[in-house]
Amino acid sequence: ETGVTQSPTHLIKTRGQQVTLRCSSQSGHNTVSWYQQALGQGPQFIFQYYREEENGRGNFPPRFSGLQFPNYSSELNVNALELDDSALYLCASSFSSKETQYFGPGTRLLVL
Amino acid sequence: AQSVSQHNHHVILSEAASLELGCNYSYGGTVNLFWYVQYPGQHLQLLLKYFSGDPLVKGIKGFEAEFIKSKFSFNLRKPSVQWSDTAEYFCARRGSSDYKLSFGAGTTVTVRA
Repeated sequence: ETGVTQSPTHLIKTRGQQVTLRCSSQSGHNTVSWYQQALGQGPQFIFQYYREEENGRGNFPPRFSGLQFPNYSSELNVNALELDDSALYLCASSFSSKETQYFGPGTRLLVL
Repeated sequence: AQSVSQHNHHVILSEAASLELGCNYSYGGTVNLFWYVQYPGQHLQLLLKYFSGDPLVKGIKGFEAEFIKSKFSFNLRKPSVQWSDTAEYFCARRGSSDYKLSFGAGTTVTVRA
């Protein structure tokens, strides 16, 4: 059984640029949730996708957007990057929207 | 807002010492509670979870947690830690009809050999 994978592992961008992060869910999981983990803090919920539809959203601006594909993999897009967007971005997958979430290794984004 | 409080930011222990990490959650009806661990250089892993039933939950690697509804607490315990337990520990909650996890700020545990 393959776990949750994310790409890339690290990324450096400059302010104002756009970034796309990718996540492949664990086999059999149809739900993907995205979290932002700033240094020294716990993960903060960005949004969740269930069967290709956004299922809920945290307190993040619209420049954070996402997609889920028919194979349940997902993308997180961030436009107009700001310095405060520097963080570890975590993807978690689950059997459904209310089941236990299993996390990937994360993508570390640095915005200069 | 639903929230989770972890009492200790950094805990330093010697091997074989007992560990207890505090976690309190805000009231919000029926909740699901989790402890995740992040070992150095690794991804978040589920240690244990509580959905319902026996309030004493046993997880992997000898960890357990006790759900005390009257105190809104879900403290993590291990009777005898090892050097390999050095990690960051996160408590998380989710409303039973909710979809998102709300995490505490985490507790860094350092075990000295």
